[in-house]
Amino acid sequence: ETGVTQTPRHLVMGMTNKKSLKCEQHLGHNAMYWYKQSAKKPLELMFVYSLEERVENNSVPSRFSPECPNSSHLFLHLHTLQPEDSALYLCASSQDYNSGTSDTQYFGPGTRLTVL
Amino acid sequence: SQKIEQNSEALNIQEGKTATLTCNYTNYSPAYLQWYRQDPGRGPVFLLLIRENEKEKRKERLKVTFDTTLKQSLFHITASQPADSATYLCALVNEKLTFGTGTRLTIIP
Repeated sequence: ETGVTQTPRHLVMGMTNKKSLKCEQHLGHNAMYWYKQSAKKPLELMFVYSLEERVENNSVPSRFSPECPNSSHLFLHLHTLQPEDSALYLCASSQDYNSGTSDTQYFGPGTRLTVL
Repeated sequence: SQKIEQNSEALNIQEGKTATLTCNYTNYSPAYLQWYRQDPGRGPVFLLLIRENEKEKRKERLKVTFDTTLKQSLFHITASQPADSATYLCALVNEKLTFGTGTRLTIIP
């Protein structure tokens, strides 16, 4: 496998469910990101991990919980979501974090999440 | 407040013509600017990066300009093809990377 992979590609869940999104990067990068993309809105940065430590948490509701067990894997744990959380969730990685041109992002294909 | 605007939500261009997309920003002093391409249901793909001290960058049929006085970047696709149809995002970097909303480009055969 190459690049950044995400599973599942599509997820439908009820408001009371608990699910997790998985991201894996095969690029040897040190930084990983979660973004939310809703229709007609810019990409919203949710979380950033650099060298497995969370370095940004942009006012994201606690029903979203990230986990970075190692530099290649990133999870987003979801619980008691709301219908307005339906969106495309994108994972990205970069060589480094906040270090100029090394911040170029490499994105996965995304998980299309629908909350009923 | 900081703002990034891409000229239009959607742009239709005849095949073979040059497509020009605009990215304007306010209250930023970006160190550099990036352009990404996003196809439906896919993640964005990095295309080009231009630094604040560079006026122009080229890659094959793509050209990017960066005018820090006008606070604007232009993204050109020459000899456009239907396969160029996608959403194009600009992203600015000062302390962190921030994306614009994107322009959906359609090349009409």
